Amino acid sequence: GESVGLHLPTLSVQEGDNSIINCAYSNSASDYFIWYKQESGKGPQFIIDIRSNMDKRQGQRVTVLLNKTVKHLSLQIAATQPGDSAVYFCAENTGGFKTIFGAGTRLFVKA
Amino acid sequence: KAGVTQTPRYLIKTRGQQVTLSCSPISGHRSVSWYQQTPGQGLQFLFEYFSETQRNKGNFPGRFSGRQFSNSRSEMNVSTLELGDSALYLCASSRLGTRQETQYFGPGTRLLVL
Repeated sequence: GESVGLHLPTLSVQEGDNSIINCAYSNSASDYFIWYKQESGKGPQFIIDIRSNMDKRQGQRVTVLLNKTVKHLSLQIAATQPGDSAVYFCAENTGGFKTIFGAGTRLFVKA
Repeated sequence: KAGVTQTPRYLIKTRGQQVTLSCSPISGHRSVSWYQQTPGQGLQFLFEYFSETQRNKGNFPGRFSGRQFSNSRSEMNVSTLELGDSALYLCASSRLGTRQETQYFGPGTRLLVL
């Protein structure tokens, strides 16, 4: 089916290090992208978004980079903490009131 | 402001039965989307409703249906349950459901089909 292309890899980082989670998307017409965090037993939680007229956006400890040329998104988490351990999804809003999600990346933070 | 709520949180059914799940969006949100989440397929879009009208539907069989009420609350129904329908069903809401709006998710209903 349709997907923002990301198989479910696992990223393991040391507490305090920076984390980078990558995502490829397929629809070149998509103009809005979101990163979500999902903790065990909970629904996805919004982290940060970016519109296609931007290539970088920063939040608190998080930065999203968008490269439209190669249809690639990344989420950078600075000074990763144990509470950041979760599954991270990238998503794109296409036309037609539909959001397409990637498969997710599991982030483990080692204390 | 209260978040998206979903009921029930957990459900066990047997093959062939049907199930109805409920979602109450954030107050003021009129767009409700439903997703199925499984380990193998990830988050798959089921359908989206706005003002009681389905505006889009994902690639699921007709056994999956939904509706939205005038107060924006939504239900989804799965008839003739199959083992493969075991999943976490997530509901998300946004004000208008436009392409540059963020959706806010509920905690999900975990359905187990035996």
